[in-house]
Amino acid sequence: QQQVKQSPQSLIVQKGGISIINCAYENTAFDYFPWYQQFPGKGPALLIAIRPDVSEKKEGRFTISFNKSAKQFSLHIMDSQPGDSATYFCAASRGSNYKLTFGKGTLLTVNP
Amino acid sequence: DAGITQSPRHKVTETGTPVTLRCHQTENHRYMYWYRQDPGHGLRLIHYSYGVKDTDKGEVSDGYSVSRSKTEDFLLTLESATSSQTSVYFCAISESAGGRGEQYFGPGTRLTVT
Repeated sequence: QQQVKQSPQSLIVQKGGISIINCAYENTAFDYFPWYQQFPGKGPALLIAIRPDVSEKKEGRFTISFNKSAKQFSLHIMDSQPGDSATYFCAASRGSNYKLTFGKGTLLTVNP
Repeated sequence: DAGITQSPRHKVTETGTPVTLRCHQTENHRYMYWYRQDPGHGLRLIHYSYGVKDTDKGEVSDGYSVSRSKTEDFLLTLESATSSQTSVYFCAISESAGGRGEQYFGPGTRLTVT
């Protein structure tokens, strides 16, 4: 049972455009929703995270939108740059042990 | 990589041999995790630890065991490696309650089982 479904699998965006990656979850007990960025040959790095008491969180060009009723959350990358080309993972966890359940990832390519 | 090292970084081994991967942290974080990453599957939790000698299974724990005798070290053992365990293995750490739940990942170990 896949508890976090991520789409699309891959995404190509032109420089300056908006990249949007979506995730849907099933477990209503999830209470923490991070996004990770991974470059080839590196470990994932936390990008931005949100808790369900807010509907949106913005950090620089990166924004998480959260829809609790629809059990969906998304990552928006404004003014996408070639340096943003990476694989992005959404994830979810519940409780204090912080066990993360990951989506399968989205390979983002930003063309110059 | 937030004070996390993994060793070895690359390993090739034969089917049936035992393999131990090491994760070492200098952050004194309570929680430690082992994930495997495979194309099309994302990151899947193998085992995690919530303190010295306290461990629990993740979603893909079959064929793996772990040990944590010190706060800073978390070992992952493949008792008898199989080709299906060829993967990239990541260790992660997290603070205890009171932190915000962020997990920080190590650089990974690429394991090939021939």
